[in-house]
Amino acid sequence: AQSVAQPEDQVNVAEGNPLTVKCTYSVSGNPYLFWYVQYPNRGLQFLLKYITGDNLVKGSYGFEAEFNKSQTSFHLKKPSALVSDSALYFCAVRDIAQGTYKYIFGTGTRLKVLA
Amino acid sequence: DGGITQSPKYLFRKEGQNVTLSCEQNLNHDAMYWYRQDPGQGLRLIYYSHIVNDFQKGDIAEGYSVSREKKESFPLTVTSAQKNPTAFYLCASSIEQAGKETQYFGPGTRLLVL
Repeated sequence: AQSVAQPEDQVNVAEGNPLTVKCTYSVSGNPYLFWYVQYPNRGLQFLLKYITGDNLVKGSYGFEAEFNKSQTSFHLKKPSALVSDSALYFCAVRDIAQGTYKYIFGTGTRLKVLA
Repeated sequence: DGGITQSPKYLFRKEGQNVTLSCEQNLNHDAMYWYRQDPGQGLRLIYYSHIVNDFQKGDIAEGYSVSREKKESFPLTVTSAQKNPTAFYLCASSIEQAGKETQYFGPGTRLLVL
């Protein structure tokens, strides 16, 4: 069965420093991987996805993620964090079992950017 | 949140009452989903539908019901059988065209019990 893991409940980073939010996955076959961000009392916003192609995926708000097949990881990164990046981040994988359209989400990582 | 609307933003339920949460999308997506999010927790799938007039139970379907009579609409009813309904409910829809698969979310409905 497909699954994703976000090993850190919270990540703290100083404003202006690079940030990384970790995600590892377990899938059979080629993974479809996604990152979403959630601000308080809001729905999830799509940031970026990897389906095929370049291992470095660029997304919204200056975020990027690197697909690493050997390490089964899809870490979210940003070169210089902003206080406004503070939010809850979810990694997700699409279940590719035949006949299903489910997306499986990690437990989320709270990012706190300190001024 | 664009293209997916949820109403109301806040909903209050009295004990023993059924309440219905609305979800509408104008993205022409085939698949739609309902998730429940409890404070400080991740998303749990309640129901999903990949085509009109068909839907499947997710991981926590007990106490909930859905219908999918139109492509644009996927209402969720929280029945009196759901004993702990207080949560943030998120509706989503997805493109299922090969190579373009992506799920998008509505703004959410917060359900509170009086």
